Amino acid sequence: SAVISQKPSRDICQRGTSLTIQCQVDSQVTMMFWYRQQPGQSLTLIATANQGSEATYESGFVIDKFPISRPNLTFSTLTVSNMSPEDSSIYLCSATDTSGANVLTFGAGSRLTVL
Amino acid sequence: AQKVTQAQTEISVVEKEDVTLDCVYETRDTTYYLFWYKQPPSGELVFLIRRNSFDEQNEISGRYSWNFQKSTSSFNFTITASQVVDSAVYFCALSEGGTYKYIFGTGTRLKVLA
Repeated sequence: SAVISQKPSRDICQRGTSLTIQCQVDSQVTMMFWYRQQPGQSLTLIATANQGSEATYESGFVIDKFPISRPNLTFSTLTVSNMSPEDSSIYLCSATDTSGANVLTFGAGSRLTVL
Repeated sequence: AQKVTQAQTEISVVEKEDVTLDCVYETRDTTYYLFWYKQPPSGELVFLIRRNSFDEQNEISGRYSWNFQKSTSSFNFTITASQVVDSAVYFCALSEGGTYKYIFGTGTRLKVLA
């Protein structure tokens, strides 16, 4: 299965700033996704990162707050804009398994703490 | 609407005990997929199993086994002879046919004590 690398693995940020998380996959994948996992909570899908077009956002998430890029089939970025303490979470990148078996592979996540 | 319920928030067992993690799902689709993932303290989600809605056969992989029952909309996960390394948060997830959109349960934290 694909190997997904995310960076940064963790960061401490100041309120009002923005941070971009990078996600690199070691092989071309059809679909990439960004999830959020708030402390002690489950995973919530933020958006589907579409290659060459605007991301598709889930209810409750907007492009101005979470702009996403996907310039090619192996790379995506998620920016968390104008951060507040409520944005403190783990952000996980995921991609479809190359076997086509509807299995998602996840990166190790980026743990953000906003002060 | 889709929903996945993991009623057990946290379970503690002593090493070598068997433990079952419960997962109940809701969906209106006839074609869907169910998954279990393990999230160890390192944070990365590790895929354990995928089951489609047309395959109700139970599955065993080493000390892990899964019981899928459509009649009760459940997909339970049993660890036999648990080990300390099994300590993690386990997530059950559902995706409806034709999509890669997963709905995750709230997870069950398993603590295996030596």
